[in-house]
Amino acid sequence: EVQLVQSGAEVKKPGESLKISCKGSGYNFSDYWIAWVRQMPGKGLEWMGIIYPGDSDTRSSPSFQGQVIVSADKSITTAYLHWSSLKASDTAIYYCARLQWELLYLDYWGQGTLVTVSS
Amino acid sequence: DIVMTQTPLSSPVTLGQPASISCRSSQSLVHFNGNTYLSWLHQRPGQPPRLLIYKISNRFSGVPDRFSGSGAGTDFTLRIRRVEAEDVGVYYCMQATQFPHTFGQGTKLEIK
Repeated sequence: EVQLVQSGAEVKKPGESLKISCKGSGYNFSDYWIAWVRQMPGKGLEWMGIIYPGDSDTRSSPSFQGQVIVSADKSITTAYLHWSSLKASDTAIYYCARLQWELLYLDYWGQGTLVTVSS
Repeated sequence: DIVMTQTPLSSPVTLGQPASISCRSSQSLVHFNGNTYLSWLHQRPGQPPRLLIYKISNRFSGVPDRFSGSGAGTDFTLRIRRVEAEDVGVYYCMQATQFPHTFGQGTKLEIK
């Protein structure tokens, strides 16, 4: 069974750093891109970027470039989203999802990680 | 970026009645390889999104056949043949033809 399990909710202060994770299982993690999607409180879905764990190739939305770093460690089948300096506007639920490259759809989703940034 | 515009933003429907949601893209979603990478997702309150339809009209595994997708180029439609209580939530279209991939703003389906 394909599963993406994300790390738990975080409460941080502005300026702090954070890394959240997404662990894949039930499939060959290295062979599928992982996408990250943001959902701000009460808002819609925003595509942030994707990473191919096999070689760490990435594609990012210009809206998020320079704001957050996407990485992966295929040896432990885990993808990450990392902020070096959080802002209050980073408060959101962050989802990871598996991207089917040939058909380009997001077929399996993590449960989401709620990040709250508040002083 | 390709902008995806959904209408309506809110759709109150009666159980057992049909519903439809439109999605329009700011440019053609036909990829140079001839495929159109337009998918539909459904998000129930408090849950992650789940895939319903991919490549315009293909139902994902386990999706009931009351859901159907159609369209071409820049105009796409999701139809629900007879709405059931479990269909409430927000529906999103998403294009993956061009980077960055983008979502529509969402359409909230409510029961009257």
